[in-house]
Amino acid sequence: DTEVTQTPKHLVMGMTNKKSLKCEQHMGHRAMYWYKQKAKKPPELMFVYSYEKLSINESVPSRFSPECPNSSLLNLHLHALQPEDSALYLCASSDIVTPRTSSGSSYNEQFFGPGTRLTVL
Amino acid sequence: AQTVTQSQPEMSVQEAETVTLSCTYDTSESNYYLFWYKQPPSRQMILVIRQEAYKQQNATENRFSVNFQKAAKSFSLKISDSQLGDTAMYFCAFMKPLIRAGGTSYGKLTFGQGTILTVHP
Repeated sequence: DTEVTQTPKHLVMGMTNKKSLKCEQHMGHRAMYWYKQKAKKPPELMFVYSYEKLSINESVPSRFSPECPNSSLLNLHLHALQPEDSALYLCASSDIVTPRTSSGSSYNEQFFGPGTRLTVL
Repeated sequence: AQTVTQSQPEMSVQEAETVTLSCTYDTSESNYYLFWYKQPPSRQMILVIRQEAYKQQNATENRFSVNFQKAAKSFSLKISDSQLGDTAMYFCAFMKPLIRAGGTSYGKLTFGQGTILTVHP
């Protein structure tokens, strides 16, 4: 199974709502990522989890709260969002690898999910 | 910090023709990876091809090949025999492995701004 799944596909929420995005992978990957993507723009990294621990937070506002309950699941909890937070939210996962000493680190491809299209009214 | 530049916002090509998408990057790292990702209108981000910086041989994957010029920091993608299904936004991406204690690593991707490729029948 080389698939990353994301639910829901679409989400519309008001600025006072609380909602969650879900991401799941069964490839045994131990690194998981959240990206935000605006239309016709590249994805922007938000968070990285490594071995279920938060490793990178790219100065994301606290109204976005990530959670990694186990090695297969990654959630993004949303609260008090703003209309400018409307975007495609992508989840990705990758292997954690041990660097080769002779020729540098091993390659670890990120597999992306189909994304959740979020609209904040 | 790394930067990735794609100088062609949009390109078009006739079916069965060849097209080349350009990408340049700037880094002081010696160990890194380069990728081309494809994002069709369906929005799933799909890996097209990858190149490890320490490998001099250019990567090829069926109709897709790269011209990797490390000294010039250039990484162009050539698509041969273009097909209608190649219509998508193409992102060039740079990955720096982030080394944790113990030598294991995950990747941080930096994307270019993207090139919208349209294949015409």
